[in-house]
Amino acid sequence: QVQLVQSGAEVKKPGASVKVSCKASGYTFTDYAVHWVRQAPGQGLEWMGWINTGKGDTKYSQKFQGRVTFTRDTSANTAYMDVTSLRSEDTAIYYCALNLPGDSFWGQGTLVTVSS
Amino acid sequence: QSALTQPASVSGSPGQSITISCTGTSSDVGIYNLVSWYQQQPGQAPKSMIYEVIKRPSGVSNRFSGSKSGNTASLTISGLRAEDEAHYYCSSYGGSRGWVFGGGTKVTVL
Repeated sequence: QVQLVQSGAEVKKPGASVKVSCKASGYTFTDYAVHWVRQAPGQGLEWMGWINTGKGDTKYSQKFQGRVTFTRDTSANTAYMDVTSLRSEDTAIYYCALNLPGDSFWGQGTLVTVSS
Repeated sequence: QSALTQPASVSGSPGQSITISCTGTSSDVGIYNLVSWYQQQPGQAPKSMIYEVIKRPSGVSNRFSGSKSGNTASLTISGLRAEDEAHYYCSSYGGSRGWVFGGGTKVTVL
């Protein structure tokens, strides 16, 4: 069955960087893009962008352009999201998600807390 | 400010039907049949309830249905049940902007 398993919670200081991983299984990793979505505490969902896991090209929401980088390791069936220059407003749960024909699948989420 | 507009809350009694609206523009909801609806229970990841405006993933109850008219998409829950109480989010493909979400609607079963 399709699964997306994300890395564990992180606590970072302002100005630091964080890298979140999303390991995929149950389908052909390079056939479908992986999306990244974040959710601040008590807030709604916010699309950050996607990575074409086959070619490696990316698209970022304008809000995150320049501070977020998506990469992938096809040998490990894993997608990664790097966020730099963290600030308190980046405290959120970060999800990876996948749209397959007929359904979508989400990781369990990774809580990133930015605090001094 | 979310790209798509949803009511903050909708409520109904068990057995009733409720409808949640999702208003976008001619650059997203109005032009693409790529509207999805997600249910999110507290502390859980979102779950797909509707995709491509009207389609239901396998395993989703047929009490959930989607529709679209112009720039507004809608999710209808019929035969409301206690377990339907959750937050619901719409999303749409927005062309060059990528994907956009609504702000979410809290559904309360009275």
